[in-house]
Amino acid sequence: AQTVTQSQPEMSVQEAETVTLSCTYDTSESNYYLFWYKQPPSRQMILVIRQEAYKQQNATENRFSVNFQKAAKSFSLKISDSQLGDTAMYFCAFMTLDSYDKVIFGPGTSLSVIP
Amino acid sequence: EPEVTQTPSHQVTQMGQEVILRCVPISNHLYFYWYRQILGQKVEFLVSFYNNEISEKSEIFDDQFSVERPDGSNFTLKIRSTKLEDSAMYFCASSEDPRKPQHFGDGTRLSIL
Repeated sequence: AQTVTQSQPEMSVQEAETVTLSCTYDTSESNYYLFWYKQPPSRQMILVIRQEAYKQQNATENRFSVNFQKAAKSFSLKISDSQLGDTAMYFCAFMTLDSYDKVIFGPGTSLSVIP
Repeated sequence: EPEVTQTPSHQVTQMGQEVILRCVPISNHLYFYWYRQILGQKVEFLVSFYNNEISEKSEIFDDQFSVERPDGSNFTLKIRSTKLEDSAMYFCASSEDPRKPQHFGDGTRLSIL
C-alpha cells in the first residue's frame, strides 16, 4: 500500500524563525513525485513545492526547501524566516508514475506562526 | 495566473437530495480530478477524468457519485442521494499533463442536514 505519514499533527514557530515539517512515505515504486501543499484557513489548496524522485538535488522555492532522502523515504519541508501568512495546514503528498491519476495525501501538520 | 474555480463555495442540502458541484478547470488542462476532505481528516482522491471518461476512481466513488463534462468548460460532480457522511470539502483539480502538478480549486464545502 502507498501511504504518507506526517508524525507532527501540530507545530508552532516564532515569526522569523525556521521550522521543519516531517514526512515519510511508503511506496515500492522508484519513480514518483513528491509535493507539499499548503491549506490556509481559507481552505484553498496551494502547491508549495515539488520534487521529482529521480532528482538528487533538493528542490527550493524562495523560503521553502525540502530535504529529500530517497533511501529513507523521507521528504521534510523547511520554512525559513517564517511569516504570519505561513500559518496553515501543510500536506505532504506523492504521486507515482504508475498512477498518474491520483495524488496521495498525508494527514497534515497544522503550523501556527506566532508573532 | 489561471485558476481552477469552483461553485458554490458552500452548499447546504437536505439528506436524500441530489447535489451538483461545479468546477471550471484551467482552460488548457485536459485532466480533471475530484478529491474530498472530511473535516479534520486528510484529502482523499475520488475520481480522475480524461477524454470524457473516468480513468480511475477510488472505493469512495460508488454508484451515488457521477462526473460529467457537460460542455467545453465545466466539470461537475453529482451526488445522487446525499447522506450525512457526504458532508465534506470537495476539491476539484486539473492538470495539463498527469505528470505535472495538479492545480486545486478553493473547494466547495458541502453540508448535509
